[in-house]
Amino acid sequence: EVQLVESGGGLAQPGRSLRLSCSTSGFTFGDYAMTWIRQAPGKGLEWVGFIRSEAYGGAALYAASVKGRFTISRDDSKSIAYLEMNSLKTEDTAVYFCARDRGRSYFDYWGQGTLVTVSS
Amino acid sequence: QSVLTQPPSASGAPGQRVTISCSGSSSNIGSSYVSWYQQLPGAAPKLLIYRNNQRPSGVPDRISGSKSGTSASLAISGLRYDDESDYYCAAWDDNLSGPVFGGGTQLTVV
Repeated sequence: EVQLVESGGGLAQPGRSLRLSCSTSGFTFGDYAMTWIRQAPGKGLEWVGFIRSEAYGGAALYAASVKGRFTISRDDSKSIAYLEMNSLKTEDTAVYFCARDRGRSYFDYWGQGTLVTVSS
Repeated sequence: QSVLTQPPSASGAPGQRVTISCSGSSSNIGSSYVSWYQQLPGAAPKLLIYRNNQRPSGVPDRISGSKSGTSASLAISGLRYDDESDYYCAAWDDNLSGPVFGGGTQLTVV
């Protein structure tokens, strides 16, 4: 059974950092790209970024709203994807989901999400 | 303001058929596959439709997707009370170099 579990959310002050983890099981993690998507309270879904599999170079791509502040990485030996969030802003407050990325806008499995609250 | 445009709400009676539209442009829907997601309150989104009209295993055939030009639609027939949910469309955007979502449609079964 495919499972994705996010962790690492919580309260952070503006300007501080937080690292989220997406632990996976039930599939060959290294074969897939992984995506992070967020949802601000009461709002819709917003793509944050994704990381390609090593077979496709392992590069990451980011939304303009987080580029230069957020970094996505992966550890294929542990089947974990990470989202390092620096210089946090209040508008980064959201539930952050990780999802298995099948290409373009096709995300077939999602985690339950982890809440990040940025407030002083 | 979302890149893809969906009606904020839709409704239908049990057993009826309802469609949810998703409008975009040549840089997204016009040049890419469309996906649809269902999100129940407090839950993670669930994939309903991928590549315009393909259903993952487990999604019933009373749910269907279509695309024409720069617009797409999700149709749900035989409406049930447990279809009450938020629905989102998504497509890759060549200009933004990333996937974009619609603002979501809240479906009510009345």
